[in-house]
Amino acid sequence: AQSVTQLGSHVSVSEGALVLLRCNYSSSVPPYLFWYVQYPNQGLQLLLKYTTGATLVKGINGFEAEFKKSETSFHLTKPSAHMSDAAEYFCAVSSPNSGNTPLVFGKGTRLSVIA
Amino acid sequence: NAGVTQTPKFQVLKTGQSMTLQCAQDMNHNSMYWYRQDPGMGLRLIYYSASEGTTDKGEVPNGYNVSRLNKREFSLRLESAAPSQTSVYFCASSVGWGQSSGANVLTFGAGSRLTVL
Repeated sequence: AQSVTQLGSHVSVSEGALVLLRCNYSSSVPPYLFWYVQYPNQGLQLLLKYTTGATLVKGINGFEAEFKKSETSFHLTKPSAHMSDAAEYFCAVSSPNSGNTPLVFGKGTRLSVIA
Repeated sequence: NAGVTQTPKFQVLKTGQSMTLQCAQDMNHNSMYWYRQDPGMGLRLIYYSASEGTTDKGEVPNGYNVSRLNKREFSLRLESAAPSQTSVYFCASSVGWGQSSGANVLTFGAGSRLTVL
């Protein structure tokens, strides 16, 4: 069974500081990995995804994530936090044949940005 | 560009009442999903429909039923609501099932906030 663990339910950073949100996965097959963002009172939207190929993937709003197989990690980063980045972030995992395993989400990390 | 539309946005029920959450998508997607979101629990899959005419249980199906009415619509029904079903419910859709479909992106609705007293 696949699973993801997000380290830290709440992360607080100053505006302009580095954002680092941690995600580790468990999967018996090469995974597909995703980061979704949820702004207050909205549904989730895709930030970025990794399927195959380049392990460093870039997403919207300046975010990027690196797939590290040896560490079973897919941490999300952004060099400089902006107030508008305050939201909840979810890491998710699926497998190439999702007929057996629909997308599985982590518990989420709430990001606060302090002025 | 409506995407995924959920109704109602808010609902308050008494224990034992029934209700149906409606979901419709206009993107010609084949697969549809219902998740619930609870504080500290993330999103948990209730039911999904890989394609029109099929439905399958997810992680937390107890107390719920679903109907894939047609390709566009996927409803979630609570037959006898319980306080434990107080949650925010999200409907989502994706292109479909099949080879490498695990890479398909889910498009979410705005959510339906349900309170059961």
